[in-house]
Amino acid sequence: QSALTQPPSASGSPGQSVTISCTGTSSDVGTYNFVSWYQQHPGKAPKLMIYEVTKRPSGVPDRFSGSKSDNTASLTVSGLQAEDEADYYCSSYAGTNNFVVFGGGTKLTVL
Amino acid sequence: EVQLLESGGGLVQPGGSLRLSCAASGFTFSSYAMSWVRQAPGKGLEWVSGISSGGTRTYYADSVKGRFTISRDNSKNTLYLQMNSVRADDTALYYCAKDGALVTPLYFDSWGQGTLVTVSS
Repeated sequence: QSALTQPPSASGSPGQSVTISCTGTSSDVGTYNFVSWYQQHPGKAPKLMIYEVTKRPSGVPDRFSGSKSDNTASLTVSGLQAEDEADYYCSSYAGTNNFVVFGGGTKLTVL
Repeated sequence: EVQLLESGGGLVQPGGSLRLSCAASGFTFSSYAMSWVRQAPGKGLEWVSGISSGGTRTYYADSVKGRFTISRDNSKNTLYLQMNSVRADDTALYYCAKDGALVTPLYFDSWGQGTLVTVSS
């Protein structure tokens, strides 16, 4: 069982927006602004999409955005494209006992 | 361009040992914390261990504490993971990951392609 809770699946049609949630606790997401999101295509390494809740690394399209409220973080993908179909994982710093925790992953399907 | 190249994976018997390596290039290796993250077949990501940029601080997930040892050689731009007393549930693809911070594992902005560790008799 993963430390952070994500829905196993999400979907949307091209051009639409989809939001993936990531629920933690006051020991991780709720306390630290070190939530990150990773995209993983089949057979590939994960790729950082969002870090520190809302920041996008260079090269990541601005269609990807992050937010956080209380113990829940969210990733929103706007203007869905076929290449966005992948698994998405959230992660949070969890203090000096657990350091980094991941969610179980969400499979995003572009219909 | 950041490159991380893992090696050392393979088939190991339960209770055995294995040492993974990660050769880094394209960035100032000694300026960043590094981590190992694993992914069991068909499963999600699990952070395993991290090390500060200077190598003086090490961090472990409870699942590997006391069995795995992380280290680095900044003169060789190489990260290591010594795996002892391995168990079947250590079977996974092990990724080397560059952290975005200096000291504590926070988030991972570059990943290698992984090296597969299979624990089986």
